[in-house]
Amino acid sequence: QVQLVQSGAELKKPGASVKVSCKASGYIFSSYAISWVRQAPGQGLEWMGWISGYNGNTGYAQKLQGRVTMTTDTSTAYMELRRLTSDDTAVYYCARGMGTTSDFDYWGQGTLVTVSS
Amino acid sequence: SSELTQDPAVSVALGQTVRITCQGDNLRNYYAGWYQQRPGQAPVLVLYGKNKRPSGIPDRFSGSSSGNTASLTITETQAEDEADYYCNSRDSSGDPVVFGGGTKLTVL
Repeated sequence: QVQLVQSGAELKKPGASVKVSCKASGYIFSSYAISWVRQAPGQGLEWMGWISGYNGNTGYAQKLQGRVTMTTDTSTAYMELRRLTSDDTAVYYCARGMGTTSDFDYWGQGTLVTVSS
Repeated sequence: SSELTQDPAVSVALGQTVRITCQGDNLRNYYAGWYQQRPGQAPVLVLYGKNKRPSGIPDRFSGSSSGNTASLTITETQAEDEADYYCNSRDSSGDPVVFGGGTKLTVL
């Protein structure tokens, strides 16, 4: 069965960086893209960007350009966010994308990133 | 960039039918996807494409689209359907993927 298993919760200070992993199993990793979506406490879903499982091509949300980097290694996707502020406190999800659509059929369990001094 | 607009909250009586809508100019060119999110859980895809349901999603969930509005309809609403519902779609300007603000569905 398809599974996306994410790394554990993180506590970071303002200005630091965080790197979240998403290990995929149960499908051919190179056949799908992985998107990252975050959700601040009590707020809605925000798309952060995606990375192709085939060739590593990426696309990032405009508001995060320059602060976010998505990479892959074998069957694991990574999302690194730099220069953290309290506004980055959120649950971060990875999700498998269906083709070129915005439909995400499998999601990781989420990783809580807390930014606090 | 385009936006997707959803009503913040909708309520429905147990066993009745409810429709949740999502409006945005990009919906004239792209299908909406719909996600159910229960408290403390990851979102679950419940509808995608032209009224398609992933395996395991009951046929009480259906979708439609007209102009710039996509709709998620739940018939014979159950208590377990109480959740937040988000729409999303592709976008040809700005970010390639956008989410609506979400609709909190309360089952009375």
